[in-house]
Amino acid sequence: DIQMTQSPSSLSASVGDRVTITCRASQSINMYLNWYQHKPGKAPKLLIYAASTLQSGVPSRFSGSGSGTDFSLTISSLQPDDFATYSCQQSHSTPWTFGQGTKVEIK
Amino acid sequence: QVQLQESGPGLVKPSQTLSLTCTVSGGSINGDEYYWTWIRQSPGKGLEWIGHISYRGFTHYNPSLKSRLSISVDKSQNQFSLKLGSVTAADTAVYYCAREGVLSSTAFFDYWGQGTLVTVSS
Repeated sequence: DIQMTQSPSSLSASVGDRVTITCRASQSINMYLNWYQHKPGKAPKLLIYAASTLQSGVPSRFSGSGSGTDFSLTISSLQPDDFATYSCQQSHSTPWTFGQGTKVEIK
Repeated sequence: QVQLQESGPGLVKPSQTLSLTCTVSGGSINGDEYYWTWIRQSPGKGLEWIGHISYRGFTHYNPSLKSRLSISVDKSQNQFSLKLGSVTAADTAVYYCAREGVLSSTAFFDYWGQGTLVTVSS
């Protein structure tokens, strides 16, 4: 299985901050990398697919980059609704696998 | 707007079978462009892909669960279901159903249910 490692596991930030979360794959996954936002009791939300393509309806302050083994998700200006957990997921080969999640908390 | 909703018992005894159903509304389960997927998250851990099924009934399971797992589809009810046998405390998790789509040769989960907590305990 392809292992996905996210860092950091949690971070504290303020509204308006620029936040970057990284995700590393245990082998090359080209650009087969997706990012999700999830909050307790709510349906997780797809933010970005194919490493850098913004899902329809997702605010443009979210962006993704990377290829091969190293990827990142950036929130350019953190908003109150963005305090949540973010997970990466590889779709290069089954079984699809996820990172352990990064919790973004209010500073 | 496609919506998914999980249903089933919240408590299952060890060694028994965990059974969940996902009801899809706002869209048809038919169509070769989608797979219908189960994902879980155990306490303190990351998300884990369990497996998926097409509307034609083609399945693909996570090898770590394959020996205990069965996923089925009921097109007439626009539902798909999960059965996981011989459960232990390690199967305690929030279980999500999701739609898996493919675009630009990449697969992703674009619609999810809210999740349902299943606890394995006597």
